[in-house]
Amino acid sequence: GAVVSQHPSRVICKSGTSVKIECRSLDFQATTMFWYRQFPKQSLMLMATSNEGSKATYEQGVEKDKFLINHASLTLSTLTVTSAHPEDSSFYICSARGWGAGELFFGEGSRLTVL
Amino acid sequence: GENVEQHPSTLSVQEGDSAVIKCTYSDSASNYFPWYKQELGKRPQLIIDIRSNVGEKKDQRIAVTLNKTAKHFSLHITETQPEDSAVYFCAASSNQFYFGTGTSLTVIP
Repeated sequence: GAVVSQHPSRVICKSGTSVKIECRSLDFQATTMFWYRQFPKQSLMLMATSNEGSKATYEQGVEKDKFLINHASLTLSTLTVTSAHPEDSSFYICSARGWGAGELFFGEGSRLTVL
Repeated sequence: GENVEQHPSTLSVQEGDSAVIKCTYSDSASNYFPWYKQELGKRPQLIIDIRSNVGEKKDQRIAVTLNKTAKHFSLHITETQPEDSAVYFCAASSNQFYFGTGTSLTVIP
């Protein structure tokens, strides 16, 4: 299957700083990328959907100024957690879908810990 | 958006027995229903999927059924093995992908 790479896998930061997470599709063009947040032993909560070259669509309750998403190319999307606080600590995972394809391919996930 | 419910949240079966996980969805526009397996600390992996124009699909020990009228779909794992132990998520998709709450499956040797 297709490969999606997410970086960094783990990040620890101080409260108030911003953290950027990258999601790359390595061997296909990702027309759509999805960002999820996963709490321990819980489901994947869709945060936002991003289409290449357009603004991300955020799910209800997700602060777009807090979680900045950029999908500048068909192979790269970034999530920036701005002014991170301890409650933002979580597992963030991206996924990507190619042209007309149904299957979703996931990145490895990024575990964010805000001190 | 779509609301996907999944049951049970936990499931324990003896090795060799079958396991069934059920999901319901709310948005009639959803037309693609994948199932993912997630092992601890790892990314979800697609194990089987079904589209709305199909009622059933099978791949070796795994099968999925879809009842579009009732808006529910199920995952069936036969002859379970310890390596099947993981968390399983269903999802419903039209443009976005919405996941169920997950089922933690434990196969007891």
